[in-house]
Amino acid sequence: QAVVTQEPSLTVSPGGTVTLTCGPSTGAVTSGHYPYWFQQKPGQAPRTLIYDTSNKHSWTPARFSGSLLGGKAALTLSGAQPEDEAEYYCLLSYSDARVFGGGTKLTVL
Amino acid sequence: QLQLQESGPGLVKPSETLSLTCTVSGGSINSNNYYWGWIRQPPGKGLEWLGSFYYSGSTYYTPSLKSRLTISVDTSKNQFTLKLKSVTAADTAVYYCARQGLGVVWGQGMLVTVSS
Repeated sequence: QAVVTQEPSLTVSPGGTVTLTCGPSTGAVTSGHYPYWFQQKPGQAPRTLIYDTSNKHSWTPARFSGSLLGGKAALTLSGAQPEDEAEYYCLLSYSDARVFGGGTKLTVL
Repeated sequence: QLQLQESGPGLVKPSETLSLTCTVSGGSINSNNYYWGWIRQPPGKGLEWLGSFYYSGSTYYTPSLKSRLTISVDTSKNQFTLKLKSVTAADTAVYYCARQGLGVVWGQGMLVTVSS
């Protein structure tokens, strides 16, 4: 089964921009992996921010965007807010499996 | 509005079977284009997708749990069930049921502790 890697931790300044990435142990991420991005705050269930690479839900703040970048799935936060401090997980879909990345702890400081 | 709710024992003894039910409201398990499944998160750790099924009947399980895990469906009750055999302390986690398709709709999650 694929291992999916994310940056363990990142720090962004308020108002700044940061990109989180998500990639499998072998090969590149494609749109066929239908990358998802989730935000999870302490004590809460995760919530979907991005699905199928770049699609947003009605509740997804406009400052979040998803893309494919250099063979990886990417989540870009432009104009970070204090409330964006959270754990972020990606999910890749395979024909017979779904695999989460290990998560990125994002600090807004 | 679609809602998923996990239910079952919050404490399971080692070597026994963990059994959880997900009750779906506001939508049908028989809807096409959606996968339904289970995800867990050990305390302080990341998310793990355990297994899923499609309305047509196909089911898959994560390889590391395949020998212990069964997901079954009761369409008449709009519910699906997870059974994990021979549990150990390592199976202690918050268990979520979820629907995947155009995003993931999550249940609120349920902590299951494996302890004697």
